Amino acid sequence: GENVEQHPSTLSVQEGDSAVIKCTYSDSASNYFPWYKQELGKGPQLIIDIRSNVGEKKDQRIAVTLNKTAKHFSLHITETQPEDSAVYFCAATPYNQGGKLIFGQGTELSVKP
Amino acid sequence: EAGVAQSPRYKIIEKRQSVAFWCNPISGHATLYWYQQILGQGPKLLIQFQNNGVVDDSQLPKDRFSAERLKGVDSTLKIQPAKLEDSAVYLCASLDMGTQYFGPGTRLLVL
Repeated sequence: GENVEQHPSTLSVQEGDSAVIKCTYSDSASNYFPWYKQELGKGPQLIIDIRSNVGEKKDQRIAVTLNKTAKHFSLHITETQPEDSAVYFCAATPYNQGGKLIFGQGTELSVKP
Repeated sequence: EAGVAQSPRYKIIEKRQSVAFWCNPISGHATLYWYQQILGQGPKLLIQFQNNGVVDDSQLPKDRFSAERLKGVDSTLKIQPAKLEDSAVYLCASLDMGTQYFGPGTRLLVL
């Protein structure tokens, strides 16, 4: 079955710097790759997603890139702010499995003022 | 639009006791998921419903966990008897246009 690896597990940046989180997946048939932000005591919140027919997607300070050949995708956050501090999860949806998500292990991002 | 509702938000029980969690998905969402999130890990799917039918329960420990969605709207997840390793956050999500929306979760501590 699908397996998703996420790195790094922790990331500390200065306010205004960029942050990059990387994920790899094992099932080449996976076709949907969302990124979730989880703040303490809350459920995961979708921040951006990308489908397998697209190589890059951007939404203001957040962008995601997908390399299907290498089976990896990355989250890029520019001009980080203290409120970006949270745990970020990547996920993959195996093809034709009802939309279930296989999550990575999470990255705890800390943005220092 | 109201989000996914879950209750209770917190629960502390002793091992071998039973516990139940409730989820009300976003109105009109036919697909509902229950995930288990152990501290420091990503959520892991326990069970998926399409309306009132089970689509995938391959990861549900059926000797102690059960779930139902009798009328195809809200859902209940039960653990009986609970073990120490069941301490986790139990997340409910519903699906719309390929996107899963999560509730705030129920934090369970088994002592």
